[in-house]
Amino acid sequence: GAGVSQSPSNKVTEKGKDVELRCDPISGHTALYWYRQSLGQGLEFLIYFQGNSAPDKSGLPSDRFSAERTGGSVSTLTIQRTQQEDSAVYLCASSLGTGGTEAFFGQGTRLTVV
Amino acid sequence: SQQGEEDPQALSIQEGENATMNCSYKTSINNLQWYRQNSGRGLVHLILIRSNEREKHSGRLRVTLDTSKKSSSLLITASRAADTASYFCATDYNQAGTALIFGKGTTLSVSS
Repeated sequence: GAGVSQSPSNKVTEKGKDVELRCDPISGHTALYWYRQSLGQGLEFLIYFQGNSAPDKSGLPSDRFSAERTGGSVSTLTIQRTQQEDSAVYLCASSLGTGGTEAFFGQGTRLTVV
Repeated sequence: SQQGEEDPQALSIQEGENATMNCSYKTSINNLQWYRQNSGRGLVHLILIRSNEREKHSGRLRVTLDTSKKSSSLLITASRAADTASYFCATDYNQAGTALIFGKGTTLSVSS
């Protein structure tokens, strides 16, 4: 596609439910990032995929969070047993390489846990 | 963990004035990038400066990098109301395969 696509745009879920957030990166981009942004705050790094290397999961806040990237393309961020503090905008970005290249962002998924 | 810290957190200026935002970081880097975010959604890349560069220009943007002080500044000249947004610096680490880490951002408000 022309840009990074994220779905859904908005998601409201009940506390305790599992949610899946999807990211479709720009074709050919080997690097894919997930970030979380709470209202008025900066971007909190969650996880980073680079090609076939093992992902950098150092930013995941708890074992309720996991992410996969299938076939080096689409990625899914899964949050199990959601909590109210998980409410935030989840942003995905992709780039041609590592942190030394421009990252292109999707419009994010706004997650609200009620 | 956050690598960069922007300063100030918020800045309000009049159209036509210059806006300067600063970013400090903690570890050695290969490069530093600046991004802009409108309305809390996707970020847009503005400029990238490499660790062996000291200054870079792009249109009304001027970025400086001082690796000895681990700091960078973004100058927007002749600001416009449309420049109202949040601005973030982002760094990589000086190791292979590490991610792009963002600071907390500066919120710029330009009034006409």
